[in-house]
Amino acid sequence: EMVMTQSPATLSVSPGERATLSCRASQSVSNKLAWYQQTPGQAPRLLIYGASTRATGIPARFSGSGSGTEFTLTISSLESEDFAVYYCQQYDTWPLTFGGGTKVEIK
Amino acid sequence: QVQLVESGGGVVQPGESLRLSCSASGFPFRTSGMHWVRQAPGKGLEWVAFIRNDGSTKYYADSVRGRLTISRDNSQHTLYLQMNSLRVEDTAVYYCARTSTESWGFCDSWGQGTLVTVSS
Repeated sequence: EMVMTQSPATLSVSPGERATLSCRASQSVSNKLAWYQQTPGQAPRLLIYGASTRATGIPARFSGSGSGTEFTLTISSLESEDFAVYYCQQYDTWPLTFGGGTKVEIK
Repeated sequence: QVQLVESGGGVVQPGESLRLSCSASGFPFRTSGMHWVRQAPGKGLEWVAFIRNDGSTKYYADSVRGRLTISRDNSQHTLYLQMNSLRVEDTAVYYCARTSTESWGFCDSWGQGTLVTVSS
């Protein structure tokens, strides 16, 4: 089973600042990597797929990069609604697996 | 717009069974693969199962294989998860989610989830 490791577990950022979240795969997943955002009490929302393609309706301040085993989600300038938990997920091999999540909190 | 509504959650004892349903609307259900993903209280996301649009292909997480069964009724626009031999560790919010048209492997729409509690 592919293990996805996210870091840091918690990221404290001030509104307007940049946030950089990391995701590492235990083996190469090529570019088969998605990012989701989850706010408290809500279902996850797809942000990025194919490692770098924004999903429909996702603001341009969200960007994804990486391939193989190392991936990054960048939020260029944090807005109040961006404080949430972010998960990466690989879809290169079954079973699908998620990272443990990064909580982005207000500093 | 896409709408996914889960139902069927509740409180059961270990070893008992439960069937979850997910009613889909706002998109051509018969052309979409579907997933179940769960989230234990205060924990992260865990993928559970996938079914192809025509039901011909199914995949399961190792933790549920042989106990949980995914199925669908395209005529009723409904996805199911039959849960047998439930364990305490199956306690979670269960989400149904639609695959993207780009790939079976990620989900572009999610329901709000239904809570399953397994406790003696």
